[in-house]
Amino acid sequence: QKEVEQDPGPLSVPEGAIVSLNCTYSNSAFQYFMWYRQYSRKGPELLMYTYSSGNKEDGRFTAQVDKSSKYISLFIRDSQPSDSATYLCAMSGYDKVIFGPGTSLSVIP
Amino acid sequence: GAVVSQHPSRVICKSGTSVKIECRSLDFQATTMFWYRQFPKQSLMLMATSNEGSKATYEQGVEKDKFLINHASLTLSTLTVTSAHPEDSSFYICSANLRRVGTDTQYFGPGTRLTVL
Repeated sequence: QKEVEQDPGPLSVPEGAIVSLNCTYSNSAFQYFMWYRQYSRKGPELLMYTYSSGNKEDGRFTAQVDKSSKYISLFIRDSQPSDSATYLCAMSGYDKVIFGPGTSLSVIP
Repeated sequence: GAVVSQHPSRVICKSGTSVKIECRSLDFQATTMFWYRQFPKQSLMLMATSNEGSKATYEQGVEKDKFLINHASLTLSTLTVTSAHPEDSSFYICSANLRRVGTDTQYFGPGTRLTVL
């Protein structure tokens, strides 16, 4: 079993839709959770960073962590064409960061 | 926020030549930097972990004599692709590790597109 699993997509939604991106993990030592966004031909950029179980909101983005289920989500409200990118979840314990394979998202105008 | 630069952004070279890529953390010190390779429509693949002042740690299947890594300072790591071949053509991305209490967050450079003719 991989340490981090993520649906690779591609995911295609109409503009304005709510998008839900998800990752599951197997290592209970992970305590910090991140979401990165990667546009085509660019390096990933950090979107959200969370520690505890619960929700963290930043504008149209909400990161949700459920440590008991080993499940994290990123919600995008009022999705825009500029949100079209690959989204990678990442998580860390004490020594390294593990990335999910990424979900490709297309928001159609 | 933490900024990581990478140079060059794009390089085209002939087969058999060597190419050096620089990764710099601009506003923080990074004792650890990572080098990734990404083929089209695929996820990041970790190549090696670069530690300041010591030898890099390479992932299984990555040739350390082909991909030379030097981390001479807390803000600079370099990756040299030696005797490059067309199959080395890829998108190379570095990240610099910002250590917070108990965890690490990686900040990525913009990437270098290498094309070997």
